[in-house]
This record gives sequence, C-alpha cells and structure tokens, in this order.
Amino acid sequence: KAGVTQTPRYLIKTRGQQVTLSCSPISGHRSVSWYQQTPGQGLQFLFEYFSETQRNKGNFPGRFSGRQFSNSRSEMNVSTLELGDSALYLCASSLRDNYEQYFGPGTRLTVT
Amino acid sequence: GESVGLHLPTLSVQEGDSAVIKCTYSDSASNYFPWYKQELGKRPQLIIDIRSNMDKRQGQRVTVLLNKTVKHLSLQIAATQPGDSAVYFCAENMGGSTLGRLYFGRGTQLTVWP
Repeated sequence: KAGVTQTPRYLIKTRGQQVTLSCSPISGHRSVSWYQQTPGQGLQFLFEYFSETQRNKGNFPGRFSGRQFSNSRSEMNVSTLELGDSALYLCASSLRDNYEQYFGPGTRLTVT
Repeated sequence: GESVGLHLPTLSVQEGDSAVIKCTYSDSASNYFPWYKQELGKRPQLIIDIRSNMDKRQGQRVTVLLNKTVKHLSLQIAATQPGDSAVYFCAENMGGSTLGRLYFGRGTQLTVWP
C-alpha cells in the first residue's frame, strides 16, 4: 500500500497570505489528523477528521481550518499567515480510533 | 499539548549498548501510548506502541514499559546501532480519546556513537 502523501512538500509564503495544504491518507484509512511541528513547541495537534467531519480541534486560532473529502483526502488552510506559522505541517492517517497513526512526509511552510 | 513530559532531552550511548528513554504522561484516562522515531528531515515513524491493558510490549530490539501507577513510560532500545540515532517521541491519547488525537512529548535526541 502506498503511504501517506502530502503536497506540496515545500512552500514559501508572505505574511498575510493564505495557504492550502493537502494530505492523501493510506487507502482504506478514514481518520486524518493534522499536526504542527516547530523546534520551540514540538509536535502539536491541530485537528482530526473522520468521515468528512471534524471531530476534534487543538488549541489553535480560527485562522487554521480544514476539511475532509468523501475519498478521505484532507486539506488544511491557514489564512492571514503570520511569521510564527512557519513550521512543518504533518498529517497522519489511521484505520480506526486509537489505532496506529502513520505520518506523511510533511509540508515545510516558510512565512516571510 | 505539553501533557507528556520527558526526563532527558538528549541521550548519548555507545554502539552496542542499550538506551533507555523515559517519559511521563499526564492523563490517567489515556489508554494508548505510541512511540515514534524521527530522523533528521524525515517523517515520524511508529516503532512500537502499548495499550493500558498491558505493562510491557516487545518488538525487534525495542521494549516499552508502562507503569500506570506513576504514569511513566520507558522505551528501551537494545544493541544500539548508528542508525538508531534520531529523535524519539512518546505520545498519549488524552482522555482515552477515540478522536484520533495524540499529544506528544518534546522528544529525546538519541545519539549512538561508534
């Protein structure tokens, strides 16, 4: 089976712009979680989707949003980018609840 | 989430020795604890996990121990190799959540030197 894929792998944006990141889970996995990884804060949970529904959201501002499509692919959007949004954004897919999560390679976002 | 605490941010061992990485979790309701390895510039890889109905689980060269009384986790890597050099993260599913949400520790940088 193909692993979790994320596009794009690298992105450079300017403050105030918005960005959309994409994640394709492992075939058959219906749960997709998103995480932000920074040197200062480590790996932090953003949100999780299952069957097109956001079931849980981490402690991030409303500028961070996401969605999931019927084929389980997920996108996350960050509006009004700030310098502090520079990070590695990782998605992970899981077959079912409380089961192994497999990570994608991440999207490295740089905000200038 | 800073719910998961680590005992040491860095650990250095000689090749062939064992490495033990310790972690403390915060929520007694957590019931799933995965460990991930992340090499520089790569994605986190699941190396072993344990559920709260177990005290110990073994994999290939790795063993995870769970002490629910004091909410401690430990990961032991036996016969370390240079390829084991990476950051290791422990995580918990806060609240025994069924919502695909994991809270990660800050990671321990393991260096295996020849």
